[in-house]
Amino acid sequence: NAGVTQTPKFQVLKTGQSMTLQCAQDMNHEYMSWYRQDPGMGLRLIHYSVGAGITDQGEVPNGYNVSRSTTEDFPLRLLSAAPSQTSVYFCASRTGQGYGYTFGSGTRLTVV
Amino acid sequence: GQQVMQIPQYQHVQEGEDFTTYCNSSTTLSNIQWYKQRPGGHPVFLIQLVKSGEVKKQKRLTFQFGEAKKNSSLHITATQTTDVGTYFCAGPVTGGGNKLTFGTGTQLKVEL
Repeated sequence: NAGVTQTPKFQVLKTGQSMTLQCAQDMNHEYMSWYRQDPGMGLRLIHYSVGAGITDQGEVPNGYNVSRSTTEDFPLRLLSAAPSQTSVYFCASRTGQGYGYTFGSGTRLTVV
Repeated sequence: GQQVMQIPQYQHVQEGEDFTTYCNSSTTLSNIQWYKQRPGGHPVFLIQLVKSGEVKKQKRLTFQFGEAKKNSSLHITATQTTDVGTYFCAGPVTGGGNKLTFGTGTQLKVEL
């Protein structure tokens, strides 16, 4: 099992550009989430999903879109990148509510 | 809104000393999870506590869930350099379905 795979690992964007961060898991987990990590602020939830076709907003959803067309994939789209979106983004998945998350290795995004 | 705070934010110890991080929630939690993130890495799930007053041990790590289920602690006995990293607690968002909110984290540095 590869676990949770995130691509790309690093990305530099110009302000106003759009892009998609990819996340795929091969563990048949129903629950998937996107977090961003900024220094001194821990992990903040952007969007999450409890199954294919079901998504909901987290703590900091503005500027991001998600979709969940399959159990395996949960891409995160940045609509119009802003310097405030410079961060490390983690995708995570878990079997269900009472289980721990398995995290991907992260995408380090810089917006200039 | 619900907050999960951790103290201290940083801790430097000499190898062999003990270490404790505390997690406090503004609301009662149905369960609490702990994660460890090594420098430059991704969070890794350590354990979940569910019952009031529950205590669980993993080798030199002792996890405790408060009687009121609003606080938790992680204690490491005789720290080693391999314990270096940031420790996060995480709990379900009250009324938030399956959302998981993370604490601010405690960064542990161990000096020889």
